[in-house]
Amino acid sequence: QSVLTQPPSASGTPGQRVTISCSGSSSNIGSNYVYWYQQLPGTAPKLLIYKNNQRPSGVPDRFSGSKSGTSTSLAISGLRSEDEADYYCAAWDDSLSSVVFGGGTKLTVL
Amino acid sequence: EVQLVESGGGLVKPGGSLRLSCAASGFTFSAYTMNWVRQAPGKGLEWVSVLSGSSSYMYYADSVRGRFIISRDNAKNSLYLQMNSLRAEDTAVYYCARAHSDTQPVQTGGFDPWGQGTLVTVSS
Repeated sequence: QSVLTQPPSASGTPGQRVTISCSGSSSNIGSNYVYWYQQLPGTAPKLLIYKNNQRPSGVPDRFSGSKSGTSTSLAISGLRSEDEADYYCAAWDDSLSSVVFGGGTKLTVL
Repeated sequence: EVQLVESGGGLVKPGGSLRLSCAASGFTFSAYTMNWVRQAPGKGLEWVSVLSGSSSYMYYADSVRGRFIISRDNAKNSLYLQMNSLRAEDTAVYYCARAHSDTQPVQTGGFDPWGQGTLVTVSS
């Protein structure tokens, strides 16, 4: 089981807003930046959100991140079929001295 | 264009060794912390190791510490992962990933970009 906890699946219809949660502890999310990745089928992961809520250039503003205490979430608004992918949260863990990932959430666009 | 290209994957028997390479281009390689991240077939992402630009700082996941060695050659713009005492559970696609920013600390989970990955299969 992963140090960061994500729901294994999420779904929504086109145009809808979907939120994916990621919970951790004081040694990871509670004290370090959170990052979100999108992995389309058969491809390498891509950085989606950095430093909790910042978007790299080229990432649509439909994607947003937030953090509160030891939990974080990724929101996708105006859902599109091309958003169907696996999403992962990640953070440094001070106790483990390692990067920890969530188990991943498979997003299905119905 | 920033590019990372991994190589060196393949089939190896349990207990064997393999050396992965990652060739970097399009940025000042020595300025960036570099990471290895792996993904077992059908599974999620697992961070493996990180090495600072000057090779002064390195960390390993508990699952590989003592068996894997991360290194780099800044003159050749290359990152390496020497994998020894390989086990079946090391079977995965191994990605090379650059730190998102050249100013971010070593202890961070921000990786951008990622290479295309190289498959390592440990089986008899």
